[in-house]
Amino acid sequence: DAKTTQPPSMDCAEGRAANLPCNHSTISGNEYVYWYRQIHSQGPQYIIHGLKNNETNEMASLIITEDRKSSTLILPHATLRDTAVYYCIVRVGGAGGTSYGKLTFGQGTILTVHP
Amino acid sequence: DGGITQSPKYLFRKEGQNVTLSCEQNLNHDAMYWYRQDPGQGLRLIYYSQIVNDFQKGDIAEGYSVSREKKESFPLTVTSAQKNPTAFYLCASRPGYPQETQYFGPGTRLLVL
Repeated sequence: DAKTTQPPSMDCAEGRAANLPCNHSTISGNEYVYWYRQIHSQGPQYIIHGLKNNETNEMASLIITEDRKSSTLILPHATLRDTAVYYCIVRVGGAGGTSYGKLTFGQGTILTVHP
Repeated sequence: DGGITQSPKYLFRKEGQNVTLSCEQNLNHDAMYWYRQDPGQGLRLIYYSQIVNDFQKGDIAEGYSVSREKKESFPLTVTSAQKNPTAFYLCASRPGYPQETQYFGPGTRLLVL
C-alpha cells in the first residue's frame, strides 16, 4: 500500500471549514484513499473513502486531485467534537492479494477545533 | 442497535497470567481484525479472520492467540508469552468483498500490574 504524508497538527476555529491535506504521491491505479478519525481513547471512526472522484457524505467531503497524488478532507463546519487525530490511508481495493484488508495507520494529523 | 462491542473497557493482568479480550459484532460481517495501539502510535495488526473457523497471523502475532468459532465473535487471548502487553486493543470488522470499509469497536485498555 502507498505511503501517505500528513501534517502533524492543525488548528481550526469552531464553525469554520477544516481542510486536512494528505499526500500520496506513489498511489497506484487500484488504490483507494480512506479517511478515519480517532477521538482520544476511542476506536477509529470511518469517515469517507474514494478512488478518483470527489465524494461527499453527511460527515465530510473528499477532494482528490486529478493526478491522484494528493487529497483533502473537508469538514464543512467544524465543531469542538471534531477534535481528533485524522488518518489518511491508501490501500488496494478488494480483500485479496497480500494486504488481506489490513489498514496501515500512520501518525495522522491532530486537529484541534477551538472556540 | 447494531455495532461492535468490546469488553472489558479496562483489564489488568498479573505477571504470568493469560487474559482474554472479548469482541462481538451483530453486523453480520464476514471479516474481523485485532489491532494493537501503543501511545502516540498507529495501529498494528495482530490477527485477522476472513471467515468462521479460519484466522491468520498479522504483523505482531507472537504472544497472542485467537479463535473464530462463531461469525459474530472473535476473542483475543493475551498469553504470558507476550512480554509487553500494555496497550490499547482494537477490534474491527468488515462486511466482506467488495466492501472494504472496516468498522471499529470502542477498544480495551490492558494494563499490567
